[in-house]
Amino acid sequence: QQQVKQSPQSLIVQKGGISIINCAYENTAFDYFPWYQQFPGKGPALLIAIRPDVSEKKEGRFTISFNKSAKQFSLHIMDSQPGDSATYFCAASGAGAGSYQLTFGKGTKLSVIP
Amino acid sequence: DAGVTQSPTHLIKTRGQQVTLRCSPKSGHDTVSWYQQALGQGPQFIFQYYEEEERQRGNFPDRFSGHQFPNYSSELNVNALLLGDSALYLCASTPRAQETQYFGPGTRLLVL
Repeated sequence: QQQVKQSPQSLIVQKGGISIINCAYENTAFDYFPWYQQFPGKGPALLIAIRPDVSEKKEGRFTISFNKSAKQFSLHIMDSQPGDSATYFCAASGAGAGSYQLTFGKGTKLSVIP
Repeated sequence: DAGVTQSPTHLIKTRGQQVTLRCSPKSGHDTVSWYQQALGQGPQFIFQYYEEEERQRGNFPDRFSGHQFPNYSSELNVNALLLGDSALYLCASTPRAQETQYFGPGTRLLVL
């Protein structure tokens, strides 16, 4: 059972555009939602994370929007750059409910073209 | 400050063999988690170690086992390797009393 569904599978955006990646979750015990960026041959690197008591969090060009009632959250990358080309994963965990594991989406391969 | 380190970086084994992968967490981190990432997929949780005990385990068979040492470093052991065990094995460490997981570069395992 996939508990975190991520879309789209791949995304092509022009330089300077906005990249939007969406995730939906099923387990209401999840209370921590990080996004990771992964380049080929490397481990995932934490980008930004949010908790359900906040509807939006911004760090530089990266923004997470969170909709608790819809059980959805999304990553927006403003002014996308070719260096942002990577695979992005949303994830969720519920440490508050005793579940420490991160459950990942299947990933979105972002390509930013000049 | 060194990040999470893993060794070896690459490994080739044959079916039926056993393998040990190693992880050193970031300084100040006391929890280590292991994940398996198949090609083109998201990481899948194997287990997490805290205070030298397995705190939580994902849906992996008993062929996968681990250990955490007093210095918080950890090992992942896989017995009776199968072709399907070929993957990138990721270690993540977590700071004391927090939940953010920081990943290492991974060990690429190929089973022939």
